[in-house]
Amino acid sequence: DTAVSQTPKYLVTQMGNDKSIKCEQNLGHDTMYWYKQDSKKFLKIMFSYNNKELIINETVPNRFSPKSPDKAHLNLHINSLELGDSAVYFCASSLDGYYGYTFGSGTRLTVV
Amino acid sequence: GEDVEQSLFLSVREGDSSVINCTYTDSSSTYLYWYKQEPGAGLQLLTYIFSNMDMKQDQRLTVLLNKKDKHLSLRIADTQTGDSAIYFCAEKPLFSGSARQLTFGSGTQLTVLP
Repeated sequence: DTAVSQTPKYLVTQMGNDKSIKCEQNLGHDTMYWYKQDSKKFLKIMFSYNNKELIINETVPNRFSPKSPDKAHLNLHINSLELGDSAVYFCASSLDGYYGYTFGSGTRLTVV
Repeated sequence: GEDVEQSLFLSVREGDSSVINCTYTDSSSTYLYWYKQEPGAGLQLLTYIFSNMDMKQDQRLTVLLNKKDKHLSLRIADTQTGDSAIYFCAEKPLFSGSARQLTFGSGTQLTVLP
C-alpha cells in the first residue's frame, strides 16, 4: 500500500481555472505538509497542518488553501490559476516532525 | 531564520566515492537529514543525524557533521549508476514542534559516469 498518495499525478489546466489536488496518508501520522518544487528543483514549504495548528508560509498567495477533512487527508485547493503556479506539488506527512517526512510522488501542475 | 545551502552539481565515476556537502545556519540543536529524489519521484529519506552526533554510518552511506562549522556531508561509497539523483540536505530545529517544517537546501544533482 502506498504510504502517501497524491492525485492526480499530472494536471494540465488553463489560466483562471480552479483546481484541487488530493493527498491521503495511511501511516497514522499527525502532521501533513504541502511543498512546491519549482523548475530549479527548489522545495518551498506552503503549509503544514496538524489537529492543533495550521501554519501558512506567508509568501503563499491566498489563492491557495489547504482543506483537511480528517487526519489522513490534506487537500490543496487553488483558485484562479496563473502561469507561475506551474510546478510539482508534493504532499508529505510526519509522525512528530523529527524522524523524517514521508513524501508522496508529486503532482505535476501545468497551467497553460 | 534557517538557511541551508548546497552545491548544485557533482559528477563522479562509477565505483568512486561521492561526497555531497551542505552548510546550515541554525544555531540551536537541530536534526539534519539527507533525502534522495530520483527523476519523476518524490523524496526518499536516506538518513538523519542529530546535531550532538559527529558521524553516522549506514551501509554505503556515511554522514559527517562538523557542528562548529555547521557543515554536513554525505559520503556514498562505491557509487553506482542507480545513485544518480538529486540529494537534498534538510534541517529542523529541536523543540520547534511537529507542525514546523523542514527547511531544505537547493539540492545537489549527482551524476554517476560509467
